[in-house]
Amino acid sequence: DIQMTQSPSSLSASVGDRVTITCRASQSISSYLNWYQQKPGKAPKVLIYAASSLQSGVPSRFSGSGSGTEFTLTISSLQPEDLATYYCQQSYRTPRTFGQGTKLEIK
Amino acid sequence: QVQLQQSGPGLVKPSQTLSLTCAISGDSVSSNSAAWNWIRQSPSRGLEWLGRTYYRSKWYNDYAESVKSRISINPDTSKNQFSLQLNSVTPEDTAVYYCARETTVPYFQHWGQGTLVTVSS
Repeated sequence: DIQMTQSPSSLSASVGDRVTITCRASQSISSYLNWYQQKPGKAPKVLIYAASSLQSGVPSRFSGSGSGTEFTLTISSLQPEDLATYYCQQSYRTPRTFGQGTKLEIK
Repeated sequence: QVQLQQSGPGLVKPSQTLSLTCAISGDSVSSNSAAWNWIRQSPSRGLEWLGRTYYRSKWYNDYAESVKSRISINPDTSKNQFSLQLNSVTPEDTAVYYCARETTVPYFQHWGQGTLVTVSS
């Protein structure tokens, strides 16, 4: 199985800050990397697919980059509603696997 | 607009079978451009993909090795839905279960609302 490792596991930032979350795959997954946002009691919601494509309806402050084994999710200017846990997920092969999550708190 | 509506019991006894259904609107379970997945989430295991069913001129299934001996995911074309059956459950199977539609890109574009299933006597 392809292991997905996110860092950090949690972070606290202020409104307006630039936030970066990193995801590393245990082997090359090309650009088959997706990012999800999950708020308490809700299903995950896709933000970025194919490493850098913004899902329709998602604010442009979210962006993704990377290929191979190293990927990043960036929030350019943190907003209060971005309080959530963020997950990366590889879709290069089955079994589909997720990172352990990054819990984002607002200072 | 694709929507997935989950149904099924929230409490299952140990050694029994967990059964959930995901009803699809806005797409077809027989679509050649989608795959229909079950994913679960627990504090101990995080988000765990369980398996999928999809149609590409014939039906295919893929399952996670961790549950392969106990799982079955089946389409129901007459009702446009798909189901999850997980046999011989233990308390470790306690989790929130989600159904999800994966596109050909691929990513999980649509999710069901989630069902908390507790395995307890």
